[in-house]
Amino acid sequence: EPEVTQTPSHQVTQMGQEVILRCVPISNHLYFYWYRQILGQKVEFLVSFYNNEISEKSEIFDDQFSVERPDGSNFTLKIRSTKLEDSAMYFCASSDGQGVTDTQYFGPGTRLTVL
Amino acid sequence: DAKTTQPNSMESNEEEPVHLPCNHSTISGTDYIHWYRQLPSQGPEYVIHGLTSNVNNRMASLAIAEDRKSSTLILHRATLRDAAVYYCILRGYGGATNKLIFGTGTLLAVQP
Repeated sequence: EPEVTQTPSHQVTQMGQEVILRCVPISNHLYFYWYRQILGQKVEFLVSFYNNEISEKSEIFDDQFSVERPDGSNFTLKIRSTKLEDSAMYFCASSDGQGVTDTQYFGPGTRLTVL
Repeated sequence: DAKTTQPNSMESNEEEPVHLPCNHSTISGTDYIHWYRQLPSQGPEYVIHGLTSNVNNRMASLAIAEDRKSSTLILHRATLRDAAVYYCILRGYGGATNKLIFGTGTLLAVQP
């Protein structure tokens, strides 16, 4: 069964450093998402991406964040200058449609620890 | 977005049915009811969705009240692997967004 993969599984970085989290969505999907989950809290939407453009972003997704689909298979989330409060699990998801009945398929997540 | 209310936690015994309730009294006529779950240390996983009629798939059943103000996710025979947080999420045509809005969900514990 096709699945979303994410690398690395765990990333440790120093405050102020840039990090890039990588995702390989399901191959025929066209819609891509990033969510995050701070330890013990809800899963929060960050951004959705379609046709090489951001479709929607949340208040969390400020100028420190960017997304890119650099080639036909990868989807990346970059945090330019990490803060302590960026420590969280980051989940990538993809779907083949954007309708209210479309299923989003999530990856296993990358645990980001900012020291 | 319409709000959902779920119990914080529930317990079940292995191989017994589990009924996970969700209240959504402000649901609009075009809102679909989705259920996702999150196993420990994993990403969320789709379970089932429905609009008005009850739905069955290989994972679960979804029973929707006639007035649509509540729904129940039914796991017919709980296994240890079903221990997870279960999220009831409404998705509607009200805006351009296709994001999922997660609440706190119900933490299901399954006892052997």
